[in-house]
Amino acid sequence: GIQVEQSPPDLILQEGANSTLRCNFSDSVNNLQWFHQNPWGQLINLFYIPSGTKQNGRLSATTVATERYSLLYISSSQTTDSGVYFCAVNNGANSKLTFGKGITLSVRP
Amino acid sequence: DAGVTQSPTHLIKTRGQQVTLRCSPKSGHDTVSWYQQALGQGPQFIFQYYEEEERQRGNFPDRFSGHQFPNYSSELNVNALLLGDSALYLCASSFDRGGIFSYEQYFGPGTRLTVT
Repeated sequence: GIQVEQSPPDLILQEGANSTLRCNFSDSVNNLQWFHQNPWGQLINLFYIPSGTKQNGRLSATTVATERYSLLYISSSQTTDSGVYFCAVNNGANSKLTFGKGITLSVRP
Repeated sequence: DAGVTQSPTHLIKTRGQQVTLRCSPKSGHDTVSWYQQALGQGPQFIFQYYEEEERQRGNFPDRFSGHQFPNYSSELNVNALLLGDSALYLCASSFDRGGIFSYEQYFGPGTRLTVT
């Protein structure tokens, strides 16, 4: 099946810093989503981005489908950005999502 | 617009018991998927239901079974619980219009199951 690798596994930032989170995948995809998991376990949808670039406030994402990677950018980080960020993909119509292992982000005040 | 809901929030069971978890999809969605997330890991796909049938299944034993009702809500049943079944169980919903397109999946808050 499709493999998803996220890097770096852990990231520590000072409040106000910028960061880039990377997701590599091993096959062509129909769907790519970025999630933020809060401390209570809820997966919050950040982006649905099988290709192209999107922006939402301080967050933006780019997926280069032909090169099989996606990047999540966080600018002017805040302590509330802390948590685990997951990339998930599928390569069949409405098929299962395959998740990476996640990136744990800690933003220090 | 109601999002995905799950019940119960937390559950404690003993080894060998059976458990049923419930999920109501986001309004307008017709497809429900279940995932298991062990501590420190990414969610793992259990199975997906569409039109009241199991459409896809991940690498989980037959002790894990499910059901989808005509109103699109779904249940996950786990029999003969093992300590290793302790995890966060997540339900996701999406909309299937057919064809090759995949739509965004939305997750519920999860049910945290502890097996003692």
